[in-house]
Amino acid sequence: ETGVTQSPTHLIKTRGQQVTLRCSSQSGHNTVSWYQQALGQGPQFIFQYYREEENGRGNFPPRFSGLQFPNYSSELNVNALELDDSALYLCASSLDQGEHNEQFFGPGTRLTVL
Amino acid sequence: AQSVTQLGSHVSVSEGALVLLRCNYSSSVPPYLFWYVQYPNQGLQLLLKYTTGATLVKGINGFEAEFKKSETSFHLTKPSAHMSDAAEYFCAVSVRGNKLVFGAGTILRVKS
Repeated sequence: ETGVTQSPTHLIKTRGQQVTLRCSSQSGHNTVSWYQQALGQGPQFIFQYYREEENGRGNFPPRFSGLQFPNYSSELNVNALELDDSALYLCASSLDQGEHNEQFFGPGTRLTVL
Repeated sequence: AQSVTQLGSHVSVSEGALVLLRCNYSSSVPPYLFWYVQYPNQGLQLLLKYTTGATLVKGINGFEAEFKKSETSFHLTKPSAHMSDAAEYFCAVSVRGNKLVFGAGTILRVKS
């Protein structure tokens, strides 16, 4: 069974650019959540996708957007990058939306904005 | 709104000593609670979770946690620390739709 994978591992961008991060969910999981973890902080919920529909969003501006594909993989897009967007971006998948379900995390993508 | 507070951003213990990492939560509904561990430059790994039933939950690597509703706490313990336990630990509460709200984390240092 393949776990959650993310690509790329590291990324360096400059202010104003756009970035796309990718996530492959664990086999059999239809729910993908994205989190931003700034240095020295706990992960913050960005949004969640359930069966290709956005299913909840945290306190992030609209320039953070996403997609989920029929195979349940997902993308996180960030437009007009700002310095404060520098963080570890974590993707997590789960069997469904049930609050009791474990979320399985990928290794993350480290984004640096210069 | 649900929230999590982890007391102590850094905890240092000697190898073989008791590990106690504190977590208090705020929730308007019965909570689902989780402890995750993060090793440097890695993602999060689930240690244990409380959903319903037994309030003492056992997890991987010898860790356990007790859900105390009266104290709104879910502290993580391990009887004897090992050097490999050095990592950052996050307590989290799951809100509607399986969205996790995390605490700020506690870095555990294990001294030889």
